[in-house]
Amino acid sequence: GEDVEQSLFLSVREGDSSVINCTYTDSSSTYLYWYKQEPGAGLQLLTYIFSNMDMKQDQRLTVLLNKKDKHLSLRIADTQTGDSAIYFCAEIPPYGSGNTGKLIFGQGTTLQVKP
Amino acid sequence: DVKVTQSSRYLVKRTGEKVFLECVQDMDHENMFWYRQDPGLGLRLIYFSYDVKMKEKGDIPEGYSVSREKKERFSLILESASTNQTSMYLCASMDRPTDTQYFGPGTRLTVL
Repeated sequence: GEDVEQSLFLSVREGDSSVINCTYTDSSSTYLYWYKQEPGAGLQLLTYIFSNMDMKQDQRLTVLLNKKDKHLSLRIADTQTGDSAIYFCAEIPPYGSGNTGKLIFGQGTTLQVKP
Repeated sequence: DVKVTQSSRYLVKRTGEKVFLECVQDMDHENMFWYRQDPGLGLRLIYFSYDVKMKEKGDIPEGYSVSREKKERFSLILESASTNQTSMYLCASMDRPTDTQYFGPGTRLTVL
């Protein structure tokens, strides 16, 4: 079945690294995504990773993918107070399995950054 | 940059009213989506469209309909608003081939 799991809450101090974890169930998903949502706002795409990659780095963001364990993580280096938000991981099952583009979201991890 | 806009950030309507939520994208994307987001329930897909005049039901289509007369515009219609449709509504547009969905800013709808 389709299910994406995340821990609900993470608290870090400003300047530390944050690691947000996610597990997913559909090993045939082609792409996996990380979104950020600030209060009252829509979802902002942070980054995505193709399923044949192990790692992707984009400035302060590092995404690690372990396909064997179906585990995805997002590391934010030098976390700032402006990084406080809810972070969603999402997968998109491949076409032909009854899906035509629906994203499967985790429940979101609230990141609290303390000054 | 991909730009997805939604017609209103906040909307207050009365029970029984017909409500139109509009979404516009400027990237010539074929696939567009409407989700609603509720505390504890996450994001749920209402409807999506993969081309002009084409639509498919998502997971929770009851009480909603959609319209896609032009490629750039995807409208969500609440035929007769009810209080349980109070929610945050998010529109998304999909880029191929990465299947990346870009979201609008959301519409916070309150039905009294």
